[in-house]
Amino acid sequence: DAGITQSPRHKVTETGTPVTLRCHQTENHRYMYWYRQDPGHGLRLIHYSYGVKDTDKGEVSDGYSVSRSKTEDFLLTLESATSSQTSVYFCASRGDTQYFGPGTRLTVL
Amino acid sequence: RKEVEQDPGPFNVPEGATVAFNCTYSNSASQSFFWYRQDCRKEPKLLMSVYSSGNEDGRFTAQLNRASQYISLLIRDSKLSDSATYLCVVNKDSNYQLIWGAGTKLIIKP
Repeated sequence: DAGITQSPRHKVTETGTPVTLRCHQTENHRYMYWYRQDPGHGLRLIHYSYGVKDTDKGEVSDGYSVSRSKTEDFLLTLESATSSQTSVYFCASRGDTQYFGPGTRLTVL
Repeated sequence: RKEVEQDPGPFNVPEGATVAFNCTYSNSASQSFFWYRQDCRKEPKLLMSVYSSGNEDGRFTAQLNRASQYISLLIRDSKLSDSATYLCVVNKDSNYQLIWGAGTKLIIKP
């Protein structure tokens, strides 16, 4: 399995506060991804990165921004969290296919 | 229509039985297909890739039908540990984006 970690693993925050989730990989993979997973939906792509400082939007990017200053780190920021952003967030990096971190459970009250 | 569709289940199957489920996809240009497994409250993990000629890995067999745009997963001699949600995954295009089905839940009963 790819060495991918996410932090924090759990977070509870209030509406309107900024939140940053961190993904760290040790595989030197070029591509990294942020997804959210909600009941009844498949994983939905928020943003992805194809290299340092190179990022692009996925299908559900509104309300989220990302940054990739180093190959190993990919940050997801919710500028002003809303209750609709309560979800499980998974980070992945791509080797022969996509490998996932353990997820972050975010609750926005 | 969803780009990747799966029967959500749950499929309740006795231990030792054979179970199969399908997944349909809408993009005829898709070239890469996968089955992932996801345990409750865990991350998805690659179960197997799906090749045009079909492929087998132990008790698991995956097949691709391009004409009808579906892939299938067959599990023989099911074990209690096979209980999980199985995610069908199809590549979107050449930039390595994947489209995920919502998953089929499988429950193996003793």
